[in-house]
Amino acid sequence: EAQVTQNPRYLITVTGKKLTVTCSQNMNHEYMSWYRQDPGLGLRQIYYSMNVEVTDKGDVPEGYKVSRKEKRNFPLILESPSPNQTSLYFCASRLVGSSYNEQFFGPGTRLTVL
Amino acid sequence: DQQVKQNSPSLSVQEGRISILNCDYTNSMFDYFLWYKKYPAEGPTFLISISSIKDKNEDGRFTVFLNKSAKHLSLHIVPSQPGDSAVYFCAATVGLTSGSRLTFGEGTQLTVNP
Repeated sequence: EAQVTQNPRYLITVTGKKLTVTCSQNMNHEYMSWYRQDPGLGLRQIYYSMNVEVTDKGDVPEGYKVSRKEKRNFPLILESPSPNQTSLYFCASRLVGSSYNEQFFGPGTRLTVL
Repeated sequence: DQQVKQNSPSLSVQEGRISILNCDYTNSMFDYFLWYKKYPAEGPTFLISISSIKDKNEDGRFTVFLNKSAKHLSLHIVPSQPGDSAVYFCAATVGLTSGSRLTFGEGTQLTVNP
């Protein structure tokens, strides 16, 4: 089954404790991205990657890091989480050259930073 | 600067009636628009899209209308069904190249009452 998986699905942590949210897709997609969803703001892009070792900032990259060492994985790293990073995070992927009609989203990770 | 706005956070309709969800945008460079649907605890899924060269696109019960001069689009669902209850996000992009960003609205919670 074609899918984007994220782990963990729920996470409660404390300020300053480094964490990683994993994202993996099994569709051989080159393009992957991370979004955060906040009430009244919709989804905002954090980082995206067009292929292995190629990453770029989205609209709200501050406080986040990403890496793309393998095509299928695109982890989101919070080196020193803060309460304003409490949010619902989505990973997404699609084929380069395809339209956004064919963008697949993961199920989301709800992060709470105390 | 919210370039895509959905001014109604929520909408409630009776089963069988029409649901109309609205979206306004400010960036005249946007030339491709999409609607995503999101159920609780799931990622957004693509619903319907429209290119700026068209003013209407229909897919079953779902029709999207685009008014470029007013920078306004709307999603019509006829007839509405209880299973349509979800959050609907409007999104826009400039071009369909791999690096193009997808800008989302805030979302509208649609509730269809039996």
